Amino acid sequence: AQTVTQSQPEMSVQEAETVTLSCTYDTSESDYYLFWYKQPPSRQMILVIRQEAYKQQNATENRFSVNFQKAAKSFSLKISDSQLGDAAMYFCAYRLATGAGSYQLTFGKGTKLSVIP
Amino acid sequence: NAGVTQTPKFRVLKTGQSMTLLCAQDMNHEYMYWYRQDPGMGLRLIHYSVGEGTTAKGEVPDGYNVSRLKKQNFLLGLESAAPSQTSVYFCASISAGRSWEQYFGPGTRLTVT
Repeated sequence: AQTVTQSQPEMSVQEAETVTLSCTYDTSESDYYLFWYKQPPSRQMILVIRQEAYKQQNATENRFSVNFQKAAKSFSLKISDSQLGDAAMYFCAYRLATGAGSYQLTFGKGTKLSVIP
Repeated sequence: NAGVTQTPKFRVLKTGQSMTLLCAQDMNHEYMYWYRQDPGMGLRLIHYSVGEGTTAKGEVPDGYNVSRLKKQNFLLGLESAAPSQTSVYFCASISAGRSWEQYFGPGTRLTVT
């Protein structure tokens, strides 16, 4: 079974600074997706960024980027120029890309990010 | 286009009562999911469906039942609620194939006293 581990229950960052959230995963598959979701106090799950395992290039979305290390099974999220609106729970998630299965997401336990003005 | 909707948004139950949570999606997605979110636990899969008339168990299925009589709806039932089922419940859907984005509903906060 696949597992996703987020080892930082809480983190904080000064506004305008950069922060990196860690995620490791365990799988025997080679074709999969990795995601970072943001959950603000509204509870809505918001997709921040995704990475396809067969792509070596790290994904970027504006101020958000990932460091994907497939051999090490590591998938960290870097937030640059942190803003007050970035304060939220962040979840790392994994799912198979194709093939038999449900495409269900396996989530880490989350990291609560605080942004200090 | 409403995406994924959940009814109700909040509910308080007494131990032993029953209720049904409704998830509806208007994107013609084949796959639908029910997750629960507990503090410090992330989201865990309860049940899922790969198509109309089909359901399967996820990681934490005990105490829940589901039905998918129509493609657009996925119902989650609690026959006899327990305090351990106090949680936030999320429904999600995705189309089959190599689609990558799973669409989430807004969540239902359930408290069992």
